[in-house]
Amino acid sequence: QVQLQESGPGLVKPSQTLALTCTVSGGSISSGSFYWSWIRQPAAKGLEWIGRVYPTGSTVNNPSLTSRVTMSVDTSKNQFSLKLTSVTAADTAVYFCARGVPIDAVGGYYYDYWGRGTLVTVSS
Amino acid sequence: SSELTQDPAVSVALGQTVTITCQGDSLRSYYANWYQQKPGQAPVVVLYGKHKRPSGIPDRFSGSISGDTASLTITGAQAEDEADYYCSSRDTSRNHLDVFGTGTEVTVL
Repeated sequence: QVQLQESGPGLVKPSQTLALTCTVSGGSISSGSFYWSWIRQPAAKGLEWIGRVYPTGSTVNNPSLTSRVTMSVDTSKNQFSLKLTSVTAADTAVYFCARGVPIDAVGGYYYDYWGRGTLVTVSS
Repeated sequence: SSELTQDPAVSVALGQTVTITCQGDSLRSYYANWYQQKPGQAPVVVLYGKHKRPSGIPDRFSGSISGDTASLTITGAQAEDEADYYCSSRDTSRNHLDVFGTGTEVTVL
């Protein structure tokens, strides 16, 4: 059974950098055709896709965040990470990590495993 | 286009049928996946691809597609189906970004 667990500070000051790590257990982050995503959800709001990272290290980001987002993967630790710079109160949210699984050759991907989410509050 | 639009809220009587829709241009090219999210929990996929149900998801959940609109139907809604439901897909940009729908809150009366 694959499990994902987010970790990182729960409180970040405005203008600083939010840094989170997702540890994957029960499967290799390098295996298969998976990719690994970050998704966030402000309180009482919907899901916002932040970006995805492939085991090769290549990334695709949400254009609305791309100038502030860096994602990376550490296959030796079976982890992937998110850094979001210059945070403001608008970045306060529950941050989820998730595994993207291919549906078929043309059908896109879906998320089969998710972390439980970690609340990050941006406040001085 | 990268937008997926859902109705904000719907209600259904216990045991009755409810349909949630998700509209977006990208659905003409990509499947819609559907996620159920209960308060304080991570989303769980209930349908993916061509209306496939993961193991453990009851067969009262079904899907359909017509043009640019995907639908999730719950036939014989149960109290435990009360949750927020999100569709997701890819957009049709060069980078094939992931996108989530705006979400529908389902209340079982």
